[in-house]
Amino acid sequence: DAKTTQPNSMESNEEEPVHLPCNHSTISGTDYIHWYRQLPSQGPEYVIHGLTSNVNNRMASLAIAEDRKSSTLILHRATLRDAAVYYCILSTDSNYQLIWGAGTKLIIKP
Amino acid sequence: GAVVSQHPSRVICKSGTSVKIECRSLDFQATTMFWYRQFPKQSLMLMATSNEGSKATYEQGVEKDKFLINHASLTLSTLTVTSAHPEDSSFYICSASRFQETQYFGPGTRLLVL
Repeated sequence: DAKTTQPNSMESNEEEPVHLPCNHSTISGTDYIHWYRQLPSQGPEYVIHGLTSNVNNRMASLAIAEDRKSSTLILHRATLRDAAVYYCILSTDSNYQLIWGAGTKLIIKP
Repeated sequence: GAVVSQHPSRVICKSGTSVKIECRSLDFQATTMFWYRQFPKQSLMLMATSNEGSKATYEQGVEKDKFLINHASLTLSTLTVTSAHPEDSSFYICSASRFQETQYFGPGTRLLVL
């Protein structure tokens, strides 16, 4: 399965944009890029996903590099409620299994 | 987004007993449900994939006779931990998806085996 690499943790100030990077140099042509986040003692929450083009939704934006070997999750204006572990995950459309890495712990400073 | 519930949210049981955890997709029909386990300060580990009406596919190292999965309808899957032992204490999370679309996760069930 393709793997992703994320920083262990990041800090950001409240009400500022946050850019969470993810490297996936072994991504294949059919792998989707997913982002989920997980608050302590809760199930993961879907954030966004994409294949080739940049994606926007009400929660975040996903910027995908042209060669698809990296991507960036963008939170446009972080709040304290955005403090969580963010997971960048690849999946194929054949079995849709999600293989979870360690994720990035995002700390938001008031 | 779609809503997935789990019941119970937490359970404490004695060693040797069995525990059943329910996972329900409340507002969509889930063709596939997944069961994960998460130990403290670790990431999620996929235990099994379950398609409605068929037997679950277990990941390597997960005992199918210990972790019984039933996916009898498009809105309900159950995980039964049989003869639970303290090492089975963990956070169990299910997710549901429809036709290999986005997975939506339940809130998790914390199991403590004494």
